[in-house]
Amino acid sequence: GQSLEQPSEVTAVEGAIVQMNCTYQTSGFYGLSWYQQHDGGAPTFLSYNALDGLEETGRFSSFLSRSDSYGYLLLQELQMKDSASYFCAVRDPDFGGATNKLIFGTGTLLAVQP
Amino acid sequence: EAGVTQFPSHSVIEKGQTVTLRCDPISGHDNLYWYRRVMGKEIKFLLHFVKESKQDESGMPNNRFLAERTGGTYSTLKVQPAELEDSGVYFCASSHRAGTGVNEKLFFGSGTQLSVL
Repeated sequence: GQSLEQPSEVTAVEGAIVQMNCTYQTSGFYGLSWYQQHDGGAPTFLSYNALDGLEETGRFSSFLSRSDSYGYLLLQELQMKDSASYFCAVRDPDFGGATNKLIFGTGTLLAVQP
Repeated sequence: EAGVTQFPSHSVIEKGQTVTLRCDPISGHDNLYWYRRVMGKEIKFLLHFVKESKQDESGMPNNRFLAERTGGTYSTLKVQPAELEDSGVYFCASSHRAGTGVNEKLFFGSGTQLSVL
């Protein structure tokens, strides 16, 4: 089976930088995605890494190391509105990449304190 | 452009009753997915439609769950009869296309919070 592990909770203060990790075990690999979900809201796409390295989008950056089966999401200049759950996800390898069906991790609940 | 909409947003039913959840995907999106999140655990896959066909229903828990997508537009997910362990947030998502080498992000609805008492 496929599995993704994430720390359950992270706490940080406004203005700080926080890193949320994700390790995965899959039979194949077709990229790592990150989604944000505010309490009671819809999960929304943040970023996608198919190759090793860092992808930056504003205050958000995502990193991937395929050799280590590891990735992380980095949030800079934290704001109160960043308090949410963050999920990493991989495309299901059972379809050889020909699907956008995602397998999600358990999510990290980020609490930003003043 | 309208996003993915789900109805109802909340449903409270008693064990043994029937509940039907509805999802309207983004217009033109052939791919429709149902997911469920139970008590803070992972967002778990239930089912994937391509147009009106079920491409993958490997995540459906048992035969008390029935999903349909008549005409390839909106979808319904019926739970009959509901059990206590069915409680959770049911999400619907849609995407435009799929294929090797293509990464299409999923657009999610806000979910239906189902409570079975």
